[in-house]
Amino acid sequence: AQTVTQSQPEMSVQEAETVTLSCTYDTSENNYYLFWYKQPPSRQMILVIRQEAYKQQNATENRFSVNFQKAAKSFSLKISDSQLGDTAMYFCAFMNNNAGNMLTFGGGTRLMVKP
Amino acid sequence: ETGVTQTPRHLVMGMTNKKSLKCEQHLGHNAMYWYKQSAKKPLELMFVYNFKEQTENNSVPSRFSPECPNSSHLFLHLHTLQPEDSALYLCASSQDSGDPYNEQFFGPGTRLTVL
Repeated sequence: AQTVTQSQPEMSVQEAETVTLSCTYDTSENNYYLFWYKQPPSRQMILVIRQEAYKQQNATENRFSVNFQKAAKSFSLKISDSQLGDTAMYFCAFMNNNAGNMLTFGGGTRLMVKP
Repeated sequence: ETGVTQTPRHLVMGMTNKKSLKCEQHLGHNAMYWYKQSAKKPLELMFVYNFKEQTENNSVPSRFSPECPNSSHLFLHLHTLQPEDSALYLCASSQDSGDPYNEQFFGPGTRLTVL
């Protein structure tokens, strides 16, 4: 079974600064996907960024980028130029390529962006 | 309505009550999911339906009974629940559950409180 660990329950960052959220996972699989989801207060969870394990290049989506270290089983999310709207719970998630579309989530990190 | 909708948004029920949660997706997807989000635990996948057929039951107690009459609607029937079942119940949909690249789109959730 896979496990996903987010070691930072809460973090804060000043507006316009950069913050990195940590995620580690444990799996014996070689083919898998990793995701970061954002859940704003009282709003729907949305996908922020996704990484295929077979790709060495780190995924980037505008101000969001990841640092994927496959050997270390680490998948951190970097948010650049933080905005007030980035305040949310962030969940790291794992999907085994051989198990269909089933996500295993970490416990989440609550990020507060301060003005 | 667009995306994934859930009703009711809030539900308070006694342990002897019977109630149902409803999820509807307007995205033309074929797979639908129920997740449980508790305060102290990571998001847990409960059930997966693909083309109206249940493909995954993640060892969920029988007091939770899912129903998927068509690809657009998913219900979760509740009976004789326990206080520890209080949680946010999230519905999600994707194009199908067999392709790991298909993004899951989440609804806003139903906040359930069991007294």
